[in-house]
Parts: sequence; C-alpha cells; structure tokens
Amino acid sequence: DAGVTQSPTHLIKTRGQQVTLRCSPISGHKSVSWYQQVLGQGPQFIFQYYEKEERGRGNFPDRFSARQFPNYSSELNVNALLLGDSALYLCASSQRAGTLSNQPQHFGDGTRLSIL
Amino acid sequence: GQSLEQPSEVTAVEGAIVQINCTYQTSGFYGLSWYQQHDGGAPTFLSYNALDGLEETGRFSSFLSRSDSYGYLLLQELQMKDSASYFCAVRDIRGSQGNLIFGKGTKLSVKP
Repeated sequence: DAGVTQSPTHLIKTRGQQVTLRCSPISGHKSVSWYQQVLGQGPQFIFQYYEKEERGRGNFPDRFSARQFPNYSSELNVNALLLGDSALYLCASSQRAGTLSNQPQHFGDGTRLSIL
Repeated sequence: GQSLEQPSEVTAVEGAIVQINCTYQTSGFYGLSWYQQHDGGAPTFLSYNALDGLEETGRFSSFLSRSDSYGYLLLQELQMKDSASYFCAVRDIRGSQGNLIFGKGTKLSVKP
C-alpha cells in the first residue's frame, strides 16, 4: 500500500510569494494534519482536517490556510512568504481523529521549502 | 500549556543500550508517543503508552510513569541504523482532534 505522498519534494520561493503544498493520505485514512518542522526542532502542528472539515488549528498566522478534498487529499497554502517560513512541511494521516484514540500518525517525507 | 523536555543529543556504541528520557507538562494526558526520524526522512511511529509501565516492541521498549509525568524510550542492541532523531509527543487537549505536540527531539549517534 502506498504511504502518505507529498508534492513537491523541494521548493524554492522568494519573499512575498505564495506556495501550495499537496498531500495524499494513506488509502482509507480520513484525517490529515499538517506540521512545520524547522531544522533542529520537532514538528509543530499547523492544521488538522477530518472529513473535509477543519478540526484543529495551531498557532500560525492567517497567511497559512488549508483545505481537504472529497478524496481526502489536502492542500496547504502559505501567502506572503517570509524567510522564517523556510522549513520542512510534513503531512500526516490517520484513520480517524480523536484525542482519546491511539491513532498513530503516518507521515509523508515532507516538502522542503526554502525562502530566498 | 503543554511542553516536553528531552535531551538534545545522546551518543552510544554499537551493541549497547541507550535510554532517552522525556518529561512532560500537560493539562490533560492522553498518552505518550515516540517517533523516529532519520535525516531527510519522515517521522515514523515507534510506540505509544497510555498506562503506566513498559511496552516492548522488539529491540525498542517504552516506559511511562504518569505520576512522575515521565517516560523513556529504551533501545537495546544498538545498530548503526538506529542513528536518528527521536521525538516524544503528547496529544493536544485544547479542543482539537488528536494532533500531536512534539518535544524538540534527541539526536542519537551510534558509533562503531
């Protein structure tokens, strides 16, 4: 079975530009989460979507937005890029959401975004 | 708020045993998870402890003490391929649906 797939793998943008990152979850998984990982740090939660609805949002500015499609794939959009947005953006999927359930998150290899 | 503390780096030799500690501070607790991440790779799930005690999965074991807000990951018979970053994580209880809060990670270097 295919794992979580993300595209593109690498991306270089300049300040002020906009970027769209894409994620396809594992087949049968309905929950998709986005994380930002700065070099040397742990992943930091950005968004979670479940059944096409936003179910959680981390402490990120409104320049960050996301959506989930009927096939459960997801896009993360970042507007007005800043140098500090340079990071690895990880997508994770799980079968369902729910704080009380042990739902291991399955991560994709990420998109490495560099802002010049 | 919720926070996790773990050592930034650990070095050990092949064949040895290493323990990576994690202390957490959280308003509500729904279990402690461990993830492994090789350089340039995706975090991969290793283990999950919801109750006190030791969970064993092959060469890896994870321990939890809820009264001490403490857990550890134990890696036995270390191999070179175990060189990676290891993250402990707890679930966010602030109304969201199960996203994780990660520690800053422990970089494990296994030497021959």
